[in-house]
Amino acid sequence: RKEVEQDPGPFNVPEGATVAFNCTYSNSASQSFFWYRQDCRKEPKLLMSVYSSGNEDGRFTAQLNRASQYISLLIRDSKLSDSATYLCVAYAGNNRKLIWGLGTSLAVNP
Amino acid sequence: ETGVTQTPRHLVMGMTNKKSLKCEQHLGHNAMYWYKQSAKKPLELMFVYNFKEQTENNSVPSRFSPECPNSSHLFLHLHTLQPEDSALYLCASSPDSSGANVLTFGAGSRLTVL
Repeated sequence: RKEVEQDPGPFNVPEGATVAFNCTYSNSASQSFFWYRQDCRKEPKLLMSVYSSGNEDGRFTAQLNRASQYISLLIRDSKLSDSATYLCVAYAGNNRKLIWGLGTSLAVNP
Repeated sequence: ETGVTQTPRHLVMGMTNKKSLKCEQHLGHNAMYWYKQSAKKPLELMFVYNFKEQTENNSVPSRFSPECPNSSHLFLHLHTLQPEDSALYLCASSPDSSGANVLTFGAGSRLTVL
């Protein structure tokens, strides 16, 4: 089992749609989580940090479910510019490592 | 610009060449990283430097040789690479290397080994 697992997609959604991605993690000691977005042929950029049950920033909401060991990212009112790959990252204090998922590809269509 | 600058952006080299990748950060961070990103694989951590001291070498082959002369500059020296080393090499920095820090990435150096 991968340490951080994401559905690679692609998710194809129309503009204005609501879309959600899940990310599961295997290390129960994981304590901090991050969502990065990576545009095609560009570097990853931080979208959101999640340290407790969740976080919200405008159209983006991240929710953490420690019991089931997953973190979700919800995007409301999708824009064309949201098209990117979304990378889930988990940090566990017991091994002090950032573990990256493969990413979920999102395409928002006009 | 993110505050982390990588050069060159693209590099093509033969297996017998020697080349170097350069990274510079203007964020006042104390930790710098080299990551490798290949298709169909998650980001792979290669090296970590904290206050210019190497704190992590993630079992990277010796054909990759990092150098960190100060907290703002990081190099990756390449020699006798293999075609499977072709990838996007990303430099990143963070305030320190505690692990839970947010990383700021450079735009990457796309390497092709012929």
